[in-house]
Amino acid sequence: ELKLVQSGAEVKKPGESLKISCKTSGYRFSDYWIAWVRQVPGKGLEWMGSIYPGDSDVRYSPSFQGQISISADKSITTAYLQWGGLKGSATAIYYCARVLGAANIRWLDPWGQGSLVTVSS
Amino acid sequence: SDVLTQPPSVSVAPGQTATITCGGNDIGSKSVHWYQQKPGQAPVVVVFEDTDRPSGIPERFSGSNSGNTATLTISRVEAGDEADYYCQVCDNSDDHPVFGGGTRVTVL
Repeated sequence: ELKLVQSGAEVKKPGESLKISCKTSGYRFSDYWIAWVRQVPGKGLEWMGSIYPGDSDVRYSPSFQGQISISADKSITTAYLQWGGLKGSATAIYYCARVLGAANIRWLDPWGQGSLVTVSS
Repeated sequence: SDVLTQPPSVSVAPGQTATITCGGNDIGSKSVHWYQQKPGQAPVVVVFEDTDRPSGIPERFSGSNSGNTATLTISRVEAGDEADYYCQVCDNSDDHPVFGGGTRVTVL
């Protein structure tokens, strides 16, 4: 069965670091981009960045460039989203999703269950 | 970067048809994908590449795309269709996903 299972909810203080994970199974991990998407509570979906595990090529949204780091470990078919110093504005649900399709015709399926990150002093 | 415009809300009676639009400059030249997100759950794709449905998605969900508007139509609406719906395209310049603001469908 194809699955993306994310790490659990986190509560952090501003300035702390954090790394959340997305464990995949049921398909060839190296062959598909993985995207990370943010959803602030009550708001819409925002693409943050994507990684191609086959060669570790990473693309970031200009809105998140410099604030996050995306990585992947092929040996355990897991992708990661990392912050070096969290801000309160990072409070959100973060989803990972497999990217399907070809150039300029890409969609996300399936999605992980989401990881809630709360940043509060 | 593409800007996709969706109505914030649509209300529909059970058994009727819900129409959700996604406006964008020349969106008809792009492939549009639609996601359903129920409260507390992750998004699920219900239509991809304008008109295709993944396995397991009812035929009641259909898509179209032409000119400056893409449309998701839900026929014979059921209470279980109550959710937020998002359209998505790929940005031409760097191939990344761009989402519409979302439409909340309320079943009366």
